[in-house]
Amino acid sequence: DTGVSQDPRHKITKRGQNVTFRCDPISEHNRLYWYRQTLGQGPEFLTYFQNEAQLEKSRLLSDRFSAERPKGSFSTLEIQRTEQGDSAMYLCASSPRGPNQPQHFGDGTRLSIL
Amino acid sequence: SQQGEEDPQALSIQEGENATMNCSYKTSINNLQWYRQNSGRGLVHLILIRSNEREKHSGRLRVTLDTSKKSSSLLITASRAADTASYFCATDPQRFYSNYQLIWGAGTKLIIKP
Repeated sequence: DTGVSQDPRHKITKRGQNVTFRCDPISEHNRLYWYRQTLGQGPEFLTYFQNEAQLEKSRLLSDRFSAERPKGSFSTLEIQRTEQGDSAMYLCASSPRGPNQPQHFGDGTRLSIL
Repeated sequence: SQQGEEDPQALSIQEGENATMNCSYKTSINNLQWYRQNSGRGLVHLILIRSNEREKHSGRLRVTLDTSKKSSSLLITASRAADTASYFCATDPQRFYSNYQLIWGAGTKLIIKP
């Protein structure tokens, strides 16, 4: 069990650029979640995958955001035409199938928009 | 939307003292979970308590759940400097269908003074 890994840890980019983050969940976990967290706040749900199927997207997720999980393994989160308000920590978590399962988090990708 | 509300927002105690944090929520739940987050890191799962449970222990941690009051508390006994972190409660609300999406509070920032 190598844990959830996210790449990169930090991303600094200019407003208007596109960015892509990667998440590698724990291998036997079929559920994967993306969250956004700003300073002093709890995580905000963005989207959820069960295997390769994206089952839910938050209303927070504008058309500029897209996530994929091909083959039900790693996942990517892309933000197009970044804006200042996109600056945040983007967290990925995974959990095994079944009810009452805890989520296992990566250390996140901190995005800073100049 | 954030369902859980932690209280207090911040807590500063001396090493060796006990720390108590509270969480209130609004809707019926399947379970409630507590997580810890060190600065700049991801969240670490501490304890999951199901809706039909009233108390759980894990090492120096004790969690209680009162579903009639829709509240939970996390007690850390004999605190250590390494316990300095933010603590979040998250609920798994009962839904018509479950996507296991957790609803998070804004957290309690705990500082342990040596």
